[in-house]
Amino acid sequence: EDKVVQSPLSLVVHEGDTVTLNCSYEVTNFRSLLWYKQEKKAPTFLFMLTSSGIEKKSGRLSSILDKKELSSILNITATQTGDSAIYLCAHGAQKLVFGQGTRLTINP
Amino acid sequence: KAGVTQTPRYLIKTRGQQVTLSCSPISGHRSVSWYQQTPGQGLQFLFEYFSETQRNKGNFPGRFSGRQFSNSRSEMNVSTLELGDSALYLCASSLGPESYEQYFGPGTRLTVT
Repeated sequence: EDKVVQSPLSLVVHEGDTVTLNCSYEVTNFRSLLWYKQEKKAPTFLFMLTSSGIEKKSGRLSSILDKKELSSILNITATQTGDSAIYLCAHGAQKLVFGQGTRLTINP
Repeated sequence: KAGVTQTPRYLIKTRGQQVTLSCSPISGHRSVSWYQQTPGQGLQFLFEYFSETQRNKGNFPGRFSGRQFSNSRSEMNVSTLELGDSALYLCASSLGPESYEQYFGPGTRLTVT
């Protein structure tokens, strides 16, 4: 059974800090690794990483896939209070297997 | 382009009743997947539909069922509701089975009393 584990489960930092969120996976057949941001509503798509696209960047957010270590990281630089959310990592194609999520809190 | 829409947004039902939730995918998207989110279990896959056919099913009892219509809209049904079915039910759509980017709707918050 495919498994995704995220760490840390909770993180509190000050505005302006840089954070790194971790995601590791154990899967039978790697397809893709996706990152989502969830506030008080539905998950919002951030990035998708595949064997042909192991690094993505959008503004202050970036993500890297390490297929050798079976893991991925999500970096957020110059954090803002609006970055406070649960960040979810998921593996799969149509059947996404999610990690537990990292609850990120940015204090002003 | 409009996002994924789900109706209703909130629902309160009594144990033993049944419920039907609706999902309209992003225009042009033909795959629809359903997920259940609870504080204890997180996000769990329920089922996936493409071209009116269920292609994948998660580990949920037979009380959970769904279907997809020719216009790609999807419904899921839960019969004989139990207290443990209280959850946020999320629908996600993608272009097709080989498109891995899934976009989620706002969800239906179901409370079973």
